Amino acid sequence: AQTVTQSQPEMSVQEAETVTLSCTYDTSESDYYLFWYKQPPSRQMILVIRQEAYKQQNATENRFSVNFQKAAKSFSLKISDSQLGDAAMYFCAYRSYNTGNQFYFGTGTSLTVIP
Amino acid sequence: EAGVAQSPRYKIIEKRQSVAFWCNPISGHATLYWYQQILGQGPKLLIQFQNNGVVDDSQLPKDRFSAERLKGVDSTLKIQPAKLEDSAVYLCASSLQGAKGTQYFGPGTRLLVL
Repeated sequence: AQTVTQSQPEMSVQEAETVTLSCTYDTSESDYYLFWYKQPPSRQMILVIRQEAYKQQNATENRFSVNFQKAAKSFSLKISDSQLGDAAMYFCAYRSYNTGNQFYFGTGTSLTVIP
Repeated sequence: EAGVAQSPRYKIIEKRQSVAFWCNPISGHATLYWYQQILGQGPKLLIQFQNNGVVDDSQLPKDRFSAERLKGVDSTLKIQPAKLEDSAVYLCASSLQGAKGTQYFGPGTRLLVL
């Protein structure tokens, strides 16, 4: 099975600054999808950004962007101009292109935004 | 578009009691997932349905957990009997069939077993 590793259990960032959350994964597949999900305290998990492995261009959604390094199996999330509402648990997830729509999640990074 | 619905939102039971959770996925989503999320951890997949068939239930504790998805729409997850270690948030998610389907989550059911 694929594994997803988030090596930073906790991160903090000053409001309006930039922070990068790291994620690495292990797979032998060439086609797959990667996701970052955000889970605010006691609230619903929502999709932040998604990357298709066959695309070389890094995905961007407003203040959120990724640095996808396929050869290194690295998928980091950059949050620019951090806002108080960005405080949450962030989960990196992997989904196989071929086998059964299964998702694999990392253990999460808790992000604190300091006013 | 309505999101994934789950009920109840909160449940407190005593150990050895039974409990059931309900999930209604987004309309048209063929794939449905149940996850267990223990405090401070990432979601762990319990069972995955494709329409009304089971794709993966390798991490479902089958001696006490069961799930069904009759008619390929709504799903129920049952725990009988509950143990203290079952205290967690139970998340339901759904996605479109096919590899491009992003997973959408419901609000979760927070279970406390005393």
